[in-house]
Amino acid sequence: DAGVIQSPRHEVTEMGQEVTLRCKPISGHNSLFWYRQTMMRGLELLIYFNNNVPIDDSGMPEDRFSAKMPNASFSTLKIQPSEPRDSAVYFCASSLYRVGGYTFGSGTRLTVV
Amino acid sequence: DQQVKQNSPSLSVQEGRISILNCDYTNSMFDYFLWYKKYPAEGPTFLISISSIKDKNEDGRFTVFLNKSAKHLSLHIVPSQPGDSAVYFCAAASGNTPLVFGKGTRLSVIA
Repeated sequence: DAGVIQSPRHEVTEMGQEVTLRCKPISGHNSLFWYRQTMMRGLELLIYFNNNVPIDDSGMPEDRFSAKMPNASFSTLKIQPSEPRDSAVYFCASSLYRVGGYTFGSGTRLTVV
Repeated sequence: DQQVKQNSPSLSVQEGRISILNCDYTNSMFDYFLWYKKYPAEGPTFLISISSIKDKNEDGRFTVFLNKSAKHLSLHIVPSQPGDSAVYFCAAASGNTPLVFGKGTRLSVIA
């Protein structure tokens, strides 16, 4: 398996633009998580899905953020409109329950200017 | 409020010596604890875990110790190697809730 695949690896966009981050989890994993890493807050959970259903989105900072998982092999995190304070590294992770912990993707480094 | 705290942002250790990374937690419901390792430009990778029914788990050079009464866990790396230089994240969960991570500790192993 190629692991969790995220795209793009880097994204630079202007304030006010829409940004879409993509994630392909490991086949067979039933949970998917979106985390954001910043210096101030470390790794914080934004939203997670079980069997493609959003379970808890309380970590989504504002209504500008939305996430979808239309099927077991694909998820998106969208920011619209983007703001400079959204600049961070966004990680997607998947797991089969809790066994072995989560497998993370390589992340998307987002810069909003 | 941070439920998982790593109070040392960085740590430097000489090659061959022991590295000790510490983590404190506040939620007494946590029953599963993990350490992740992260290299630059990569995602965190699972390193070692421990459940609350144990107080020690060992895997090669890595040992995790859990002190439930103090709500404290630590990761020992012996002997430390230059390739161990990375950011280490402590994480915890209760039941099937998602992992809660600390802010990380950057370990530098000096040759």
